[in-house]
Amino acid sequence: SAVISQKPSRDICQRGTSLTIQCQVDSQVTMMFWYRQQPGQSLTLIATANQGSEATYESGFVIDKFPISRPNLTFSTLTVSNLSPEDSSIYLCSVEEVGRPLSGNTIYFGEGSWLTVV
Amino acid sequence: AQKVTQAQTEISVVEKEDVTLDCVYETRDTTYYLFWYKQPPSGELVFLIRRNSFDEQNEISGRYSWNFQKSTSSFNFTITASQVVDSAVYFCALLPLGGGGNKLTFGTGTQLKVEL
Repeated sequence: SAVISQKPSRDICQRGTSLTIQCQVDSQVTMMFWYRQQPGQSLTLIATANQGSEATYESGFVIDKFPISRPNLTFSTLTVSNLSPEDSSIYLCSVEEVGRPLSGNTIYFGEGSWLTVV
Repeated sequence: AQKVTQAQTEISVVEKEDVTLDCVYETRDTTYYLFWYKQPPSGELVFLIRRNSFDEQNEISGRYSWNFQKSTSSFNFTITASQVVDSAVYFCALLPLGGGGNKLTFGTGTQLKVEL
């Protein structure tokens, strides 16, 4: 299975600043995703990080607030801009690993990045 | 549209009890994957199992077992002889293989507390 590393694992940030989260995968993957998990809630997809092109954002998420980079097939960053306390969440990177035919694909997640905005 | 329902918000059991976590899903896609993930207090999401829609075989892995019933759109997860280390939030998720663009839809999660 893919091994996914996220940095930072935790951070406390001042409102109005930005935080960039890095996601590194130990193998080349086509599909990388960024999720947000607000306190006590389920996971919500922010965007799909596309290699070599702009990310595809879900409804309610915009590039100005959540710029994403995907310079190659093993790395992506998510920036959360102009932070407010409402941005306090766990941010998770995930990848889709292609399985054998008829076996299916699996989606793995990084350890998550806990963000607290004060 | 896809939907995953985990009706049990929180379950508390005593160690060594068996516990079943329910998951009911809705999708119009004929081909899809179902997943279970475990999220311990540390926050990472640990992959437990993937089930393909065309494979209704139940699966057992140690103390874990999964019951996939396509007729009732359910994918329930049973932990046998629960342990304190099983305490976590468990998420069921659906990945359609139609035009959904490979997007996972998560349930709201079930908080499992296993006490001594």
